[in-house]
This record gives sequence, C-alpha cells and structure tokens, in this order.
Amino acid sequence: KQEVTQIPAALSVPEGENLVLNCSFTDSAIYNLQWFRQDPGKGLTSLLLIQSSQREQTSGRLNASLDKSSGRSTLYIAASQPGDSATYLCAVPGGGADGLTFGKGTHLIIQP
Amino acid sequence: DAGITQSPRHKVTETGTPVTLRCHQTENHRYMYWYRQDPGHGLRLIHYSYGVKDTDKGEVSDGYSVSRSKTEDFLLTLESATSSQTSVYFCAIRTRQGAEGYTFGSGTRLTVV
Repeated sequence: KQEVTQIPAALSVPEGENLVLNCSFTDSAIYNLQWFRQDPGKGLTSLLLIQSSQREQTSGRLNASLDKSSGRSTLYIAASQPGDSATYLCAVPGGGADGLTFGKGTHLIIQP
Repeated sequence: DAGITQSPRHKVTETGTPVTLRCHQTENHRYMYWYRQDPGHGLRLIHYSYGVKDTDKGEVSDGYSVSRSKTEDFLLTLESATSSQTSVYFCAIRTRQGAEGYTFGSGTRLTVV
C-alpha cells in the first residue's frame, strides 16, 4: 500500500525566504507526482505535475523535483510572500484505479 | 481547465437520514473519484468510477454508495448518515492535459447532527 509522508507538518517563516517542502512515498512505481495548494475552507489547486520521466518542473517561483529511486519529491518556493500561506499537499497515484494517495500536508505561514 | 462542480456546497443533516452529493463534469473524462478530508487523516479515497455504471470501492467505502448513470455525473450517497461522516467531501476527475493529472471540485461540507 502506497504511503505518502510530508515534512514538516507546519512551517512559519518571514517573508522573502526561500523554502523547501519535502514529500516521500513508499512505492517508487509511480507514473507521476502532483503538488497541490489548499487555502483554508477551499478546494485543491494543482500547482505542478511531474511525470516519472522528468526530474523537475517549474512554474514561476515554484520548482518541484522528483527522485523516484529514493521515493522523494521536494517543492521549492523562492522569495516567499504572505500570499503563499496555505497548506501544500503532495499526492501520487496509488489508490484504486489509480486514485491519488495524499500526504497530510505542510501548513505554511509566511509572516509579513 | 476541466469543468467540475459539486453540489450542494454545504449541507446539515440529521443522523439516520439519507444524503446524496453530486459531482458534475463537463468534459467527458472517464475516471471520477470521491474523497473525504478530515483533520489528522488528510484526504482518503471513498469510491471511484472508471465509466458509466463502472464503480468500485476505495479505502474508506463503508457506509457509502455511488452511482454513475451518465458520464458527466457521479453521485455519492450516504444511506443513513452518521456523525462520523461529518466531513468535507471532494470529487475529482483524472484529466489528460497532455499528461494525466487530477482536477478537484470545490468540495461539499457535510455536517451530520
């Protein structure tokens, strides 16, 4: 059974810092990995999707890397802003008919 | 972006009553999923569908049933709601967009009193 772990569970940093969120998964036989953002009381917004053949994806100030062999992914946020405050979720296909298996998320607070 | 809507957005119901949540998509994607999100547990898969009338159980399916009579609609039913089913429910579709990713609806907040 696929298991996904995200570290840290919570993080609070001053505005402007670069930061790294970590995700690990137990079964490396994945075909992609997806990072989502969730604001309080809201749905999930897809940030980045990395295919198993890729090592990283970039979107603006966000960069996600994938190392299948070690079962790890990182989400790098450059020059953090208060608007980046949210919960960040990592997910891989691994449920029934390839439904996503999620980590419990990293709750991020960027202090102005 | 894939169009996916959930209804209702909020619902309060009494223990023992039946409840149906609806997920509607506009782009004929084959795979649809229902998740619940709870503090301390994260998102967990309840049921999924891989086509019209083709459904199967996920990780936490007890107390739930689903139906998919049309490609665009995936219904989640709580036959007799219990307080443990108070949760936020999300529907998702598996899209292609050049590579298969997943798009989520805005969620339904269900409270069973």
